[in-house]
Amino acid sequence: SQKIEQNSEALNIQEGKTATLTCNYTNYSPAYLQWYRQDPGRGPVFLLLIRENEKEKRKERLKVTFDTTLKQSLFHITASQPADSATYLCALGRDSSYKLIFGSGTRLLVRP
Amino acid sequence: DAGITQSPRHKVTETGTPVTLRCHQTENHRYMYWYRQDPGHGLRLIHYSYGVKDTDKGEVSDGYSVSRSKTEDFLLTLESATSSQTSVYFCAITGEPTSGGYTFGSGTRLTVV
Repeated sequence: SQKIEQNSEALNIQEGKTATLTCNYTNYSPAYLQWYRQDPGRGPVFLLLIRENEKEKRKERLKVTFDTTLKQSLFHITASQPADSATYLCALGRDSSYKLIFGSGTRLLVRP
Repeated sequence: DAGITQSPRHKVTETGTPVTLRCHQTENHRYMYWYRQDPGHGLRLIHYSYGVKDTDKGEVSDGYSVSRSKTEDFLLTLESATSSQTSVYFCAITGEPTSGGYTFGSGTRLTVV
């Protein structure tokens, strides 16, 4: 069955550094991949979508890469701030389906 | 979240009782979803809808049913609640599932005792 893996351990970094989160998947061929941010007690919030024919996508301080050969997406936050501390979820989808499959998320802690 | 409301926000119920959670949207989106979120499992899809009276099962649909009689409302029913259904339930909506992100509600924390 399809599997999405995100680091279960929290990523702890210093303010101002670049945070890099990883999303790996197996037994799946997604047409697109999405990243979400989730704060405690809140629902996830959509950040970025990248399609399989796109290698990289940027939005302000965020950058996402998508390597279908490695079956991996990297999510970067440059010049990180304490306000970036949250759990980040990746999700995969296909054009033939109405559904998203989510990873369990990685918690990011940015120290002042 | 703007355009999507879940009710109730919190509920405690007893094993064996029926429970209905409501998701209401004002965005006129076609697609609506129910997920549950548990530690170590992430978000798992229970049921989803792609139109009025059009629903389908997700990966963890056993013990749950849904109904969508109008565009704006998507109801999730636990026919006979069990302790394994203690979870946080999220509703999500989208107008275009393959090119746009989902908008999630604030969640319902359900405890079955």
